[in-house]
Amino acid sequence: ETVLTQSPATLSLSPGDRATLSCRASQSVGGNLLWYQQKPGQAPRLLIYDTSNRFTGIPARFSGSGSGTDFTLTISSLEPEDFAVYYCQQRTNWPPFTFGPGTKVEVK
Amino acid sequence: EVQLLESGGGLVQPGGSLRLSCAASGFIFDSYAMNWVRQSPGKGLEWVSSISGSGDTTYYTDSVKGRFTISRDNSKNTVYLQMNSLRAEDTAVYYCAKRDVPTTAIQPFILVDWGQGTLVTVSS
Repeated sequence: ETVLTQSPATLSLSPGDRATLSCRASQSVGGNLLWYQQKPGQAPRLLIYDTSNRFTGIPARFSGSGSGTDFTLTISSLEPEDFAVYYCQQRTNWPPFTFGPGTKVEVK
Repeated sequence: EVQLLESGGGLVQPGGSLRLSCAASGFIFDSYAMNWVRQSPGKGLEWVSSISGSGDTTYYTDSVKGRFTISRDNSKNTVYLQMNSLRAEDTAVYYCAKRDVPTTAIQPFILVDWGQGTLVTVSS
């Protein structure tokens, strides 16, 4: 099973700050790494698929990069609606499909 | 508009059974693989099971193999998750989810459309 580790667990930032979230895989996932955003009481929302492809309607302030085992989600300038939990997910080594434990971006 | 509506959750004793349903609308159901993902209270996401568009291919995470069965009725636009021998660690919100473009195969596993979830609580 491919284990995904996300860091930090919590990121305390202010609106307008740059957020950098990390996801590390226990083995290579190639480029098949996705990012989701989840707000309290809501289902997850797809942000980025296959490392760097923004899904339809996702603002350009969200970007993804990386390859192999190390990946990054960057939010260039945090908007109030961006404070949420972010999960990475791999789809290369399956089953099972695995998710990271999440990074919470909270207001400082 | 795509809609996925889960139902069937509730409180069940350890060892008991539940059947979850996910009623779909707004798309050609049998053109999509369907998936169940769960989230324990205050915890992260866990993939549970997937089924191909025709229903002939299924996959499960190890912790539910032999206890859970995914199935679908394409005439009713519904996917099911039969859960037997339930354990406390199965307590979670269960979501059904799918891709945004027709894909009868399980891959690419990219979840775009999600239901609102149904809560399963396993407790005595």
